[in-house]
Amino acid sequence: ETGVTQSPTHLIKTRGQQVTLRCSSQSGHNTVSWYQQALGQGPQFIFQYYREEENGRGNFPPRFSGLQFPNYSSELNVNALELDDSALYLCASSPQGANYGYTFGSGTRLTVV
Amino acid sequence: KQEVTQIPAALSVPEGENLVLNCSFTDSAIYNLQWFRQDPGKGLTSLLLIQSSQREQTSGRLNASLDKSSGRSTLYIAASQPGDSATYLCAVPIRTGANNLFFGTGTRLTVIP
Repeated sequence: ETGVTQSPTHLIKTRGQQVTLRCSSQSGHNTVSWYQQALGQGPQFIFQYYREEENGRGNFPPRFSGLQFPNYSSELNVNALELDDSALYLCASSPQGANYGYTFGSGTRLTVV
Repeated sequence: KQEVTQIPAALSVPEGENLVLNCSFTDSAIYNLQWFRQDPGKGLTSLLLIQSSQREQTSGRLNASLDKSSGRSTLYIAASQPGDSATYLCAVPIRTGANNLFFGTGTRLTVIP
């Protein structure tokens, strides 16, 4: 059973650019969530996808957007990058519902310069 | 709004000592509570998942308890080892919307050989 995989592992972008991060969910998991973790903080919820539809969103601006594909993999897109977007981006997957807990990937470290 | 607090923020213990990490949450209407481990710059590794109907859960040297009515959980680590050094995060999913996780800011544990 493969876990959650994220790519790339590290990324450096310039302010104003756009970035796409990718996540493959664990086998059998149809729900994917994205979290942003700033240094020294706990992860903050960005949004969640269930069966290709966004079904929840945290307090993040519209320039943070996402997709989920029929195989349940997902993308996180961030437009007009700002310096404060520098963080570790974590993807988590779960079977339907919150009762089964979440499995996290290793994250993508994004640095905006 | 759910708030999750972890105390202490940092803890340093000699190898072999037993220790307790604390987690408190403000909204007791939770499905479950999940403890994670995070090594520096890495993703989250799930340690234990306690359902709201359970009082405790054990895995090896780890034991997690849950007192939903008082909004508290503890993670007990027996016979600590240097390899246990990491940040430990607790998280609870809310019962509405996307059931996304709310995280504490973590306890950074250092086990001294």
